[in-house]
Amino acid sequence: ELKVEQNPLFLSMQEEKNYTIYCNYSTTSDRLYWYRQDPGKSLESLFVLLSNGAVKQEGRLMASLDTKARLSTLHITAAVHDLSATYFCAVDVNSGYALNFGKGTSLLVTP
Amino acid sequence: ETGVTQTPRHLVMGMTNKKSLKCEQHLGHNAMYWYKQSAKKPLELMFVYSLEERVENNSVPSRFSPECPNSSHLFLHLHTLQPEDSALYLCASSQQGADTQYFGPGTRLTVL
Repeated sequence: ELKVEQNPLFLSMQEEKNYTIYCNYSTTSDRLYWYRQDPGKSLESLFVLLSNGAVKQEGRLMASLDTKARLSTLHITAAVHDLSATYFCAVDVNSGYALNFGKGTSLLVTP
Repeated sequence: ETGVTQTPRHLVMGMTNKKSLKCEQHLGHNAMYWYKQSAKKPLELMFVYSLEERVENNSVPSRFSPECPNSSHLFLHLHTLQPEDSALYLCASSQQGADTQYFGPGTRLTVL
């Protein structure tokens, strides 16, 4: 059974600080997704990482994928309050059908 | 309407009721999904339809019954639910086998 583990599950950080969220998964996959969910809202796609060594950046967020280590990271640079949300990673092991999600990381950015 | 829409957004039902959740996608995709999001649990994939055929059913209890009449619409029929079925039910769509899944806003279901 595929396991997807995120850590930390809860993160409170100050504005302007940097931090990294980790996503480990237990079986081979070369397709990993990051989503964001605001309270009471649906999931919004952030990044799709399709190969080993893939790196994508959007604003203050940067995601990377190491398929050999079965690890993806979501790095936050100089956090701002607007980034407060829950971030999920999801791994695709079935060519686009079954996405296995981590439990999510609840991020709170405080002044 | 754009993207993926779901109705109703909130639903309260008794254990003996029958209700249906509706999802519609306006993205031209050919695969649709139902997920369950409960507190303190990862999102759970319930059903997958590709080209209107069910391709995956993750051992979901029979009190949940999906229907996909065409590539744009997906229903989840509910009957004799249990209180533990209370959750956020999310619909998603994608282009078969190749793309990001796009999620609807969800239906918050409460079973009394």
